[in-house]
Amino acid sequence: QKEVEQDPGPLSVPEGAIVSLNCTYSNSAFQYFMWYRQYSRKGPELLMYTYSSGNKEDGRFTAQVDKSSKYISLFIRDSQPSDSATYLCAMRAQGAQKLVFGQGTRLTINP
Amino acid sequence: DAGVIQSPRHEVTEMGQEVTLRCKPISGHDYLFWYRQTMMRGLELLIYFNNNVPIDDSGMPEDRFSAKMPNASFSTLKIQPSEPRDSAVYFCASRLTSGRSYEQYFGPGTRLTVT
Repeated sequence: QKEVEQDPGPLSVPEGAIVSLNCTYSNSAFQYFMWYRQYSRKGPELLMYTYSSGNKEDGRFTAQVDKSSKYISLFIRDSQPSDSATYLCAMRAQGAQKLVFGQGTRLTINP
Repeated sequence: DAGVIQSPRHEVTEMGQEVTLRCKPISGHDYLFWYRQTMMRGLELLIYFNNNVPIDDSGMPEDRFSAKMPNASFSTLKIQPSEPRDSAVYFCASRLTSGRSYEQYFGPGTRLTVT
């Protein structure tokens, strides 16, 4: 079993829809949770970061962490065609340098 | 500011040949990471350095892979001999400990095809 599980999709939604992306994990030591966005033929770039449990909002993006369920989510409101990309969750333990990534979910927003 | 620089961007080689991938981290960053990305396995950490010293190479798939960081501004990942199953996109990333310590900055990647 992988430490981090993420549905690879693909996921296709109409412009303006609310998008929900999720990851589950098995390592209870994970404390730092991140979402990276990767456009085609580019390197991943950090989109959202959360420490421990709770919510974090940044514009149209909201990241949620539920440590009791070992479940993290990324919500995109008012989705735009420019949001079309692969979204990777990543996490690491306190004091660790290694990031463990999910498989990535390929998202397409249709105009 | 220049981000992480990788070269070449694309590499096509024949099985058995030596391949060398290059990375220049962001100036002043003290951590450097090498990743491999495939459709089947996703993004995997191969090795990382701190202040030019290899810290964890447990992700290196086998002895055919080696990585060096001779100075703070340059690192190489070498595959010798290369095999078709090494075909993937290889990313280099760097990080500054005293900055936003959770953020790794990725380069554009090198797309390697071994025929």
